[in-house]
Amino acid sequence: SYELTQPPSVSVSPGQTARITCSGEALPKKYAYWYQQKSGQAPVLVIYEDSKRPSGIPERFSGSRSGTMATLTISGAQVEDEADYYCYSTDSSGNHRVFGGGTKLTVL
Amino acid sequence: EVQLVESGGGLVKPGGSLRLSCAVSGFTFSSYSMNWVRQAPGKGLEWVSIISSGSSYTYYADSVKGRFTISRDNAKNSLYLEMNSLRAEDTAVYYCARVLEDYMDVWGKGTTVTVSS
Repeated sequence: SYELTQPPSVSVSPGQTARITCSGEALPKKYAYWYQQKSGQAPVLVIYEDSKRPSGIPERFSGSRSGTMATLTISGAQVEDEADYYCYSTDSSGNHRVFGGGTKLTVL
Repeated sequence: EVQLVESGGGLVKPGGSLRLSCAVSGFTFSSYSMNWVRQAPGKGLEWVSIISSGSSYTYYADSVKGRFTISRDNAKNSLYLEMNSLRAEDTAVYYCARVLEDYMDVWGKGTTVTVSS
């Protein structure tokens, strides 16, 4: 079955840039999406269609995709950005959805 | 206000069955595909199943295929997940989520399913 691979953890100091990667064989042809999940809460969409930011999401959140890798970048990460981040996409058929394993972002 | 409210979770024995419901309001339910997503305790998100707006297609994760059935009643603004032959590894918080294009833009708060003897 199709898989998306993320690093388990990323750690930065406040104000630094955090980059979270997501790799998958179908990403050259399929959009990547990014969700933020804080403890005990439902996920929130922070990036859709590789690089678009939903209304209400701070400008420090950005996304990109190149080949088989998508990247979520948080420029000037803040303490409140500490959360688990998941990439999400579909397999090459478009029928099955999949989440990456998640990346725990620590900002301290 | 767009709302999705899951219900039907609880404690069930291995091999048992459970039916989850998701009641929606604030949008035209019949115009959207819907997903079920789950999260086991301390684990990541796992996509479970999708159903199209008119129920013309359904797809399932390999982990639940043949055991779970997704359905909807557009007249009742409700989404369902029938879960059979439940296993300990099905223990999770189950979320329903609205599908926009290829992604989920609105989520419920989830309902907890525990499979244990």
